[in-house]
Amino acid sequence: DQQVKQNSPSLSVQEGRISILNCDYTNSMFDYFLWYKKYPAEGPTFLISISSIKDKNEDGRFTVFLNKSAKHLSLHIVPSQPGDSAVYFCAATRRVITDKLIFGTGTRLQVFP
Amino acid sequence: GAGVSQSPSNKVTEKGKDVELRCDPISGHTALYWYRQRLGQGLEFLIYFQGNSAPDKSGLPSDRFSAERTGESVSTLTIQRTQQEDSAVYLCASSLVWTEYGYTFGSGTRLTVV
Repeated sequence: DQQVKQNSPSLSVQEGRISILNCDYTNSMFDYFLWYKKYPAEGPTFLISISSIKDKNEDGRFTVFLNKSAKHLSLHIVPSQPGDSAVYFCAATRRVITDKLIFGTGTRLQVFP
Repeated sequence: GAGVSQSPSNKVTEKGKDVELRCDPISGHTALYWYRQRLGQGLEFLIYFQGNSAPDKSGLPSDRFSAERTGESVSTLTIQRTQQEDSAVYLCASSLVWTEYGYTFGSGTRLTVV
């Protein structure tokens, strides 16, 4: 049972435009969500997170939006840059009982000039 | 160390052989996690160590898989009688009890079973 889903395996965006990556989850008990970025041959690196008590968190070019009623979160990158080309994973957890993260299957973002 | 270190970075083994993968977490990190990523798939949880608590082994796919951790330091993931479906990148991560930044991952061990 895939509790965290990223239904778009890939996304292609022109440099300077907005990239929107989506993630859906099924477990309403999740209370913390994170986005990781992964380059080839490297481990994933933390990008941005959001607690379930918020609906938006912003860090520079990156903003994560959380819609609890829809069990949906999205990552916005504005403006997109070629260096953003990577695989993006969303992850979720129920912090009150565990630190174990459940990851989605990833979305490969390509930013072209 | 400065980051999470995994060894070897690449391992090719014959089907049926045992393999041992090593992870050196960041010093002071009490939690250690193993995940794997098979080709074209997401990150699959395997096992989680937290201090002296019993590990959460709920993600281990079969009894051929086992992992040990010595105190709050090195961990080894052992796969016995490897099968071709075990081919994947095995990722180790560590963290403090909890931070808002989740985990720090190593670069992984790419295991190929031939």
